[in-house]
Amino acid sequence: RKEVEQDPGPFNVPEGATVAFNCTYSNSASQSFFWYRQDCRKEPKLLMSVYSSGNEDGRFTAQLNRASQYISLLIRDSKLSDSATYLCVVRHNTDKLIFGTGTRLQVFP
Amino acid sequence: EAGVAQSPRYKIIEKRQSVAFWCNPISGHATLYWYQQILGQGPKLLIQFQNNGVVDDSQLPKDRFSAERLKGVDSTLKIQPAKLEDSAVYLCASSLLSWGETQYFGPGTRLLVL
Repeated sequence: RKEVEQDPGPFNVPEGATVAFNCTYSNSASQSFFWYRQDCRKEPKLLMSVYSSGNEDGRFTAQLNRASQYISLLIRDSKLSDSATYLCVVRHNTDKLIFGTGTRLQVFP
Repeated sequence: EAGVAQSPRYKIIEKRQSVAFWCNPISGHATLYWYQQILGQGPKLLIQFQNNGVVDDSQLPKDRFSAERLKGVDSTLKIQPAKLEDSAVYLCASSLLSWGETQYFGPGTRLLVL
């Protein structure tokens, strides 16, 4: 079983739609959680950290459920520029980052 | 502020050949990471340096891969000899310290082994 599991997609949604990505992790000792964005043939970039209380950054909302070992990312009012792969990332207490395989999002006009 | 620099950007070699990649982290960043990203997968950590010391190399295939960061600044990753399954993007990242700091990635080196 992979340590971080994501649905690879692709998710094809129209502009303006709301889309949600889910991620599960297996190591209950994981300390912190992130969503990274990776554009085609580019490097990953930090999108946002994920906190137990949930956090929002503009159109993006991330939530963490430690009991269920589940992380989510919600994107509201999708833009064409949101098309990318979204990587769920877990940090161990050793500082090691474990990446999921990513979920590909394609927003169409 | 300049980002993480990597070279070359692309490399094509035949199996059993050797190859080396170079990374220059963001100035002042003590921690440097090498990741391997195979097509369709997320990045996988190969090795982590804190200054010039190795923190974690548990997933580095040490029979063919080696890495060094002699002066605690730039780093090289070498593969000798390469196999077909080494075809991947090799990403270098750096962070200011280690614990809890954001990792910033370079553009990567895309390796194709024929």
